[in-house]
Amino acid sequence: AQTVTQSQPEMSVQEAETVTLSCTYDTSESDYYLFWYKQPPSRQMILVIRQEAYKQQNATENRFSVNFQKAAKSFSLKISDSQLGDAAMYFCAYNSGAGSYQLTFGKGTKLSVIP
Amino acid sequence: NAGVMQNPRHLVRRRGQEARLRCSPMKGHSHVYWYRQLPEEGLKFMVYLQKENIIDESGMPKERFSAEFPKEGPSILRIQQVVRGDSAAYFCASSPQFTYEQYFGPGTRLTVT
Repeated sequence: AQTVTQSQPEMSVQEAETVTLSCTYDTSESDYYLFWYKQPPSRQMILVIRQEAYKQQNATENRFSVNFQKAAKSFSLKISDSQLGDAAMYFCAYNSGAGSYQLTFGKGTKLSVIP
Repeated sequence: NAGVMQNPRHLVRRRGQEARLRCSPMKGHSHVYWYRQLPEEGLKFMVYLQKENIIDESGMPKERFSAEFPKEGPSILRIQQVVRGDSAAYFCASSPQFTYEQYFGPGTRLTVT
């Protein structure tokens, strides 16, 4: 079974600084999808960024970017120029593709932003 | 374009009662997923449905839980004879056909007293 591990239960960052959240996963598939979701105190799950495993280029969405290391099965999220509104739980998620649509989530990292 | 709608947002049930959670997918989305989030945990997949069909229910408990997505109306997650361990946040997500991106609703927080 696929597993997703987020080894940092909590992180903090100074406003305007950069922070990296780590995620590793276990899979025997060669083609799959990876996601980062943000869950603010409102509990709404918000899709931040996605990465297809067959793409070598790291995905970027404004201040959010990923470092995808396929061989190491690592998928970290970098948040640049951190803002107070970035404070939230961040969940890494995996989808194996190939007709399986369920997402497997890590346990999350709680990010605090210090003014 | 309205997002995924879930109601109620909060639901309190006594042990032994039934809980019905509703989910309306985003416009144009034909796939619905249900997940459960226990305190301090990530989301756990429960079931994946398309209109009038259950595609994957591998994450559903064998008893007391059922889900449907009728031709008309919202998807329903039904929990019969609730127990305290059912207390959790239940999230619904939807996606269009042939994509692996899922868009989530705000969740329903179920409390069993």
